[in-house]
Amino acid sequence: DSGVTQTPKHLITATGQRVTLRCSPRSGDLSVYWYQQSLDQGLQFLIQYYNGEERAKGNILERFSAQQFPDLHSELNLSSLELGDSALYFCASSGLAGDVDTQYFGPGTRLTVL
Amino acid sequence: DQQVKQNSPSLSVQEGRISILNCDYTNSMFDYFLWYKKYPAEGPTFLISISSIKDKNEDGRFTVFLNKSAKHLSLHIVPSQPGDSAVYFCAAIYHPSKDSGGSNYKLTFGKGTLLTVNP
Repeated sequence: DSGVTQTPKHLITATGQRVTLRCSPRSGDLSVYWYQQSLDQGLQFLIQYYNGEERAKGNILERFSAQQFPDLHSELNLSSLELGDSALYFCASSGLAGDVDTQYFGPGTRLTVL
Repeated sequence: DQQVKQNSPSLSVQEGRISILNCDYTNSMFDYFLWYKKYPAEGPTFLISISSIKDKNEDGRFTVFLNKSAKHLSLHIVPSQPGDSAVYFCAAIYHPSKDSGGSNYKLTFGKGTLLTVNP
């Protein structure tokens, strides 16, 4: 158990819809990262938040957005969903003293867009 | 543009033998490398890491070697056990600037190698 929790585990929705994925980082971690794993692309970095502020952006679509709340949990919002958005979405956290470079991953949310 | 490449999609070894997983990278600015292991239906689990100032890091049965001139790293597992069967991801970090906290430490992953250890 990495200490990172993600909800829900599975999500099935239709094209055009909007969903929210939730992540709670390890206790004390200030950074939260979102990654997308699709069959052909492997693990792709989407976005990073540090202590409530956006710090880095990767291959995140404009239809996607994220935020990190004062209690440090984070949400990834995916809107106008397309079939190609079906993937595993992982959240990771890091930031404990002496362990900044190591990210710990949650179990993921499997999104299926029909 | 695949900056971190794992050219072997799969590897099969016998229990007790050595497993060698390889990873190549193209971005010379990467200065920290990690290996993750992933079982089905679970998130990646951190295994071992190495800073670019070192050429070897060992942790029990796992050793990572870094050859900066060749932009190549490898993970050695000795002896291999059936429980090691999983997908192994190589990942790299580039620190554009050093400041406090987890600033801009995005991981760039390879596509993974499926290791199967046969009893």
